[in-house]
Amino acid sequence: GAGVSQSPSNKVTEKGKDVELRCDPISGHTALYWYRQSLGQGLEFLIYFQGNSAPDKSGLPSDRFSAERTGGSVSTLTIQRTQQEDSAVYLCASSFVPGQGASYEQYFGPGTRLTVT
Amino acid sequence: AQKITQTQPGMFVQEKEAVTLDCTYDTSDPSYGLFWYKQPSSGEMIFLIYQGSYDQQNATEGRYSLNFQKARKSANLVISASQLGDSAMYFCAMRPSGGSYIPTFGRGTSLIVHP
Repeated sequence: GAGVSQSPSNKVTEKGKDVELRCDPISGHTALYWYRQSLGQGLEFLIYFQGNSAPDKSGLPSDRFSAERTGGSVSTLTIQRTQQEDSAVYLCASSFVPGQGASYEQYFGPGTRLTVT
Repeated sequence: AQKITQTQPGMFVQEKEAVTLDCTYDTSDPSYGLFWYKQPSSGEMIFLIYQGSYDQQNATEGRYSLNFQKARKSANLVISASQLGDSAMYFCAMRPSGGSYIPTFGRGTSLIVHP
């Protein structure tokens, strides 16, 4: 079946502009995560959506970052007034949660490479 | 708070040999899952193997096995019969089974397989 998809695959933007990154999770997965990965670094958790519950925004680095998930499916990560330090690969992942699936591993999308000039 | 430690920034192995990638963790959660992911140069994160904290046996998936030592809080990944295509970054992760399901990832280990 279809995996997690993300768009765009690459985004170059000027400092100060707003950007929107999109994630389409695997159908049936109720958990959705956004991560940021800077060059050569590990994954930095940003935000977590679980069903209809309020999202866990504890990883968002500043109030310039926001995300929403419509209809329990597609999610959009928005970065306002982008800064050069926002340049990174933004990864989306989806999964079942315990009780829904056996091992509830995360399935990752290919990522969006954001470059702020 | 959860913490994952991968102490090997880089590892080298000869093709067809076995290699162990280290992972230690710290958590106060009574129930959790441990995961390993592979990230080749293409960038996509690929799930490899899972171990539940209450699983009695070590997990195996093909050439991958997880050496789980709960008392030592370690979850090392063993790759047998290394292949050139195994060259990649490898990330260990832990996720609680209750409450917040937010995983914690280690910083990764770069594995290079030599012919």
